[in-house]
Amino acid sequence: GDSVTQMEGPVTLSEEAFLTINCTYTATGYPSLFWYVQYPGEGLQLLLKATKADDKGSNKGFEATYRKETTSFHLEKGSVQVSDSAVYFCALRAYNFNKFYFGSGTKLNVKP
Amino acid sequence: NAGVTQTPKFQVLKTGQSMTLQCAQDMNHNSMYWYRQDPGMGLRLIYYSASEGTTDKGEVPNGYNVSRLNKREFSLRLESAAPSQTSVYFCASSEQREGRGEQYFGPGTRLTVT
Repeated sequence: GDSVTQMEGPVTLSEEAFLTINCTYTATGYPSLFWYVQYPGEGLQLLLKATKADDKGSNKGFEATYRKETTSFHLEKGSVQVSDSAVYFCALRAYNFNKFYFGSGTKLNVKP
Repeated sequence: NAGVTQTPKFQVLKTGQSMTLQCAQDMNHNSMYWYRQDPGMGLRLIYYSASEGTTDKGEVPNGYNVSRLNKREFSLRLESAAPSQTSVYFCASSEQREGRGEQYFGPGTRLTVT
């Protein structure tokens, strides 16, 4: 069945460091891929998405590229800020289906 | 445009009590979902509704019932609460027709069962 695997946390970085959070997926067909962010005490918010192979999603300095050959959708940011501290979830939606599959989440702590 | 709203935000129940969590969306989405989030477990799907009038079980449906009251509203009921149901509950919605769209989440209900 469809599934998402992302790196376990927590990830602790200093401000202005480079961030990578790995995400790989298993799916039949051509899923859509998403990164969500959850700040403490809040619901999940969409950070970025990509709906077909080689698409790059980007938002607020974060980027992720849909790599079908490696079934990956790694999240990157060139220079993190303290305000980026949150839990990040990778997710997929199988094409034209209504179910979404989430990774277990990666907690990011950014120190000043 | 409020998006997805949930009530209540916090609730404390005693074992055996019942309650209903309410969810509403104003984006005219066809599909709605209930998840629970436990520490270290990520999100687990309880029930979902692909469209008005239909509901289906997710990964962890035991101990819960749902009602898709109309296109806007999707409620989750705990008939006899147990401590194992202590969790944060999230409602979400998505557009079915597009086939590739994202989910939109509510702010969550934090439930403690003592």
